[in-house]
Amino acid sequence: KAGVTQTPRYLIKTRGQQVTLSCSPISGHRSVSWYQQTPGQGLQFLFEYFSETQRNKGNFPGRFSGRQFSNSRSEMNVSTLELGDSALYLCASSLLSQADTQYFGPGTRLTVL
Amino acid sequence: QQQVKQSPQSLIVQKGGISIINCAYENTAFDYFPWYQQFPGKGPALLIAIRPDVSEKKEGRFTISFNKSAKQFSLHIMDSQPGDSATYFCAAKDAGGTSYGKLTFGQGTILTVHP
Repeated sequence: KAGVTQTPRYLIKTRGQQVTLSCSPISGHRSVSWYQQTPGQGLQFLFEYFSETQRNKGNFPGRFSGRQFSNSRSEMNVSTLELGDSALYLCASSLLSQADTQYFGPGTRLTVL
Repeated sequence: QQQVKQSPQSLIVQKGGISIINCAYENTAFDYFPWYQQFPGKGPALLIAIRPDVSEKKEGRFTISFNKSAKQFSLHIMDSQPGDSATYFCAAKDAGGTSYGKLTFGQGTILTVHP
């Protein structure tokens, strides 16, 4: 079974631009969570989606948003990029019935110049 | 507010030795405690996990010890191998109704195993 896939793997943007990252969960998984990983702050929860609904949101500004489609694929968007948004953005998927077990993708490395 | 504190930040052990990483938590509502292993350029991979109803769980060379009263848990890697060199994260999940899949992570431990 294929794992969680994320595209693109690397991205370079400039301040003020916006970016959209994509995540395809493991087949059959209906829950998708997003995390931001930085050297200073570690892994921080952004939000979680299930059945196209946001179920939980972390402590991030409104510039960070996301959505989930009917096929469980998810996208996250960051508008008005800031230098501090440079990070590895990780997507994780889980089954509804085994929501504790989350499987992570390889991440998208975003660099903001 | 850092709810899961992990130590040490880095750890160097010799091949065949025991690696021990510790985590402490504050939120008594946490009811699921996984450990993740991350190699450079990869996403975190689930290694082993435990719930508060048991004090120890072992899978191969990896063991989690859990102390509910002290609100602490630790990862022991027996017979450490150079291939175990990676960053290890402890995490915790709240059983509360609105937390769903949110994992709270420790800051990570960079483990280096010398041959």
